[in-house]
Amino acid sequence: NAGVTQTPKFRVLKTGQSMTLLCAQDMNHEYMYWYRQDPGMGLRLIHYSVGEGTTAKGEVPDGYNVSRLKKQNFLLGLESAAPSQTSVYFCASSYPRQGASGANVLTFGAGSRLTVL
Amino acid sequence: GESVGLHLPTLSVQEGDNSIINCAYSNSASDYFIWYKQESGKGPQFIIDIRSNMDKRQGQRVTVLLNKTVKHLSLQIAATQPGDSAVYFCAENLNFNKFYFGSGTKLNVKP
Repeated sequence: NAGVTQTPKFRVLKTGQSMTLLCAQDMNHEYMYWYRQDPGMGLRLIHYSVGEGTTAKGEVPDGYNVSRLKKQNFLLGLESAAPSQTSVYFCASSYPRQGASGANVLTFGAGSRLTVL
Repeated sequence: GESVGLHLPTLSVQEGDNSIINCAYSNSASDYFIWYKQESGKGPQFIIDIRSNMDKRQGQRVTVLLNKTVKHLSLQIAATQPGDSAVYFCAENLNFNKFYFGSGTKLNVKP
């Protein structure tokens, strides 16, 4: 049982290049998320999905696109990378929280370190 | 975005001592909170959670306290071990789908 798997783990891009980060989960989770982590900033939500075929914007969506064509996969795309997108990216997944008494524990991947020169 | 912050960015404790990590949150409507542990080079891992209708919840060697009056969370780790060295994040759940994370506290455990 792999949990949440992110590929690639490391990538270096030049400004203006495009790339896609892939997140795969094998827990049959409905919800999936992409976060970025910068020093001193904590985790910030980029985009999320509450089910196959759906996506929504988080706190910092500009410059990123996402797709959830299959329930188990959530792709994060950078169409034209900028140095400000240098960061560590984390994918997470969870079950829906079932009401106020429910839980919504995120399971995270190991991260993808992206450097944009 | 919502403001979830930590009072101490770095905490150093002696092995065997108890650790207390603090977190302030800004939105009184948040009704669910989680503490995560992140070891170097890894993704955050769930430690313990608490709902807003509770003041305290205990796990194995960890206790989370919630003070809704002052919008404050704390994570207590008993008998801190070297393996507890990591960055600890609190997160608040305002809407069911989204969490807002604090910037983290680094815990250093001295042997």
